[in-house]
Amino acid sequence: KAGVTQTPRYLIKTRGQQVTLSCSPISGHRSVSWYQQTPGQGLQFLFEYFSETQRNKGNFPGRFSGRQFSNSRSEMNVSTLELGDSALYLCASSLSAGSSYEQYFGPGTRLTVT
Amino acid sequence: KQEVTQIPAALSVPEGENLVLNCSFTDSAIYNLQWFRQDPGKGLTSLLLIQSSQREQTSGRLNASLDKSSGRSTLYIAASQPGDSATYLCAVVDSGTYKYIFGTGTRLKVLA
Repeated sequence: KAGVTQTPRYLIKTRGQQVTLSCSPISGHRSVSWYQQTPGQGLQFLFEYFSETQRNKGNFPGRFSGRQFSNSRSEMNVSTLELGDSALYLCASSLSAGSSYEQYFGPGTRLTVT
Repeated sequence: KQEVTQIPAALSVPEGENLVLNCSFTDSAIYNLQWFRQDPGKGLTSLLLIQSSQREQTSGRLNASLDKSSGRSTLYIAASQPGDSATYLCAVVDSGTYKYIFGTGTRLKVLA
């Protein structure tokens, strides 16, 4: 069974631009979560989607948004990029929403903002 | 506010040694705790998931325990190998917010 895939793997953008990252969950998984990982803040939860609905949201500004499609694939968008948005963005999928389901992570998208 | 701490931040051991990684959390109201490993520049690999009603889980050379009342979990690695070198992260699902809260990680290096 294929794992979680994320595209692109690496991205370089300029301050002020916007970016869209994509995540394809494991086949059959319906929940997708997004995380930001930086050396200073560690891994921080961005949001979780299940059945095309945002179920949970972390403490990030409105410039960070996401969506989920009917095939469970998810995208996250960051508008008006800032230097501090440079990070590894990780996506995780699980069978369903809820606390008892194990999360499986993708390889991440490394975003560099210059 | 739930906080997760991992001690030590870094650890270097000779091959073959048994070792223990620690994870502590400030609020015992959790749904589960999960241990992950992360290789440099890569995503996270799930190692063990412990539900709040469980005390421990085992997989191969790995054993994780959970003591909710004291807010602690340990990951025991038996007979460590150079391939175990990675950063180990623990995460709890906070029962108040349903969010995964990650620890700061322990960077492990196993010397051949």
